[in-house]
Amino acid sequence: GNSVTQMEGPVTLSEEAFLTINCTYTATGYPSLFWYVQYPGEGLQLLLKATKADDKGSNKGFEATYRKETTSFHLEKGSVQVSDSAVYFCALRKDSSYKLIFGSGTRLLVRP
Amino acid sequence: DTGVSQNPRHKITKRGQNVTFRCDPISEHNRLYWYRQTLGQGPEFLTYFQNEAQLEKSRLLSDRFSAERPKGSFSTLEIQRTEQGDSAMYLCASSMTGAGLETDTQYFGPGTRLTVL
Repeated sequence: GNSVTQMEGPVTLSEEAFLTINCTYTATGYPSLFWYVQYPGEGLQLLLKATKADDKGSNKGFEATYRKETTSFHLEKGSVQVSDSAVYFCALRKDSSYKLIFGSGTRLLVRP
Repeated sequence: DTGVSQNPRHKITKRGQNVTFRCDPISEHNRLYWYRQTLGQGPEFLTYFQNEAQLEKSRLLSDRFSAERPKGSFSTLEIQRTEQGDSAMYLCASSMTGAGLETDTQYFGPGTRLTVL
């Protein structure tokens, strides 16, 4: 079946550290891939997306590249801030459906 | 644009009672989605509407669950004879009229947290 696997958290980093959150997927066809973020007390927000292989999504200093050969969509940021502390969800959408399939989320905690 | 709104934000009920949640999407959006999120997990798809039509339902949506979107605007999700396993955050999302699949972006509401005692 279609699924998304994320690295378990929490991930704890110091401010200005480099961030990687791993995400791999299982899907047939050509899914679109997404990263959503959930800040404390708020709803899910789209962070970035990529709709085809080798596409790079980017937003707010975060990047992720759609790697079909490794079925991955790892989230990276060169220098994290305390305000980046949140739960990050990787998700896919099959090319034949509007529904999103989410991973279990990775909590990021950035310390000053 | 006030975003997707959901009411109530919290609901506590006793096992066996019926509950109903409401979702108001962003005004020009014609697609509306319901997801369920349990603690420590990602959201799981329940169902989706395009205008009034319910186009896809998950197997998670048992016979006790029913969703409606009678006029293609707001939607309600009803759970009958609630069970403790129904305790979760129920999320609503909406997306833009006319956007193709590739450009479809779902905007989420804050959710309704259900606790079944």
